[in-house]
Amino acid sequence: AQTVTQSQPEMSVQEAETVTLSCTYDTSENNYYLFWYKQPPSRQMILVIRQEAYKQQNATENRFSVNFQKAAKSFSLKISDSQLGDTAMYFCAFTRFGNEKLTFGTGTRLTIIP
Amino acid sequence: DTGVSQDPRHKITKRGQNVTFRCDPISEHNRLYWYRQTLGQGPEFLTYFQNEAQLEKSRLLSDRFSAERPKGSFSTLEIQRTEQGDSAMYLCASSLVQPIPYGYTFGSGTRLTVV
Repeated sequence: AQTVTQSQPEMSVQEAETVTLSCTYDTSENNYYLFWYKQPPSRQMILVIRQEAYKQQNATENRFSVNFQKAAKSFSLKISDSQLGDTAMYFCAFTRFGNEKLTFGTGTRLTIIP
Repeated sequence: DTGVSQDPRHKITKRGQNVTFRCDPISEHNRLYWYRQTLGQGPEFLTYFQNEAQLEKSRLLSDRFSAERPKGSFSTLEIQRTEQGDSAMYLCASSLVQPIPYGYTFGSGTRLTVV
């Protein structure tokens, strides 16, 4: 079974600063996908960024980027120039290739301070 | 199409009562998923459908839980004889047959409180 661990229950940073959220996972699979989801106070889960395990290049989406270390089974999310709208719960999630269900971590509550 | 909608947003029920939740997926999505999220935890997979067929159920889905997706459109999740441990957020998501790399679209969830 796969497990996803987020060791930072809460984080806070000043607006415009850079913040990194940590995620580690455990799997024996070689082909899989990793995701970061954002869940604002309004509750709807929104996809932030995804990474295919077979790709060595780290994914980037505007201010969001990941540091994917496959050997270390680490998948951290970096948010640059943080904005007040980034305040939310952030979940790291895993799914293996050919599977359909996501395995989530316990989340990190991120607060951006004005 | 405005996304995945769930109804109701909140439900308070007495222990022992039955409750039913509804999820309307994005119309062109043929896969539909149910997840449960308890306080302080990430969502946990419950079950998923491809069109009207229920293809997988988690062991978390006890005999008191049943999900349906008639005609491959909306889905309902029913909990019979509710218990306090059923209190949680129930999330619905939908996707195309190949959710990767497009990912899933989640609804806003139904928060169930059993008193």
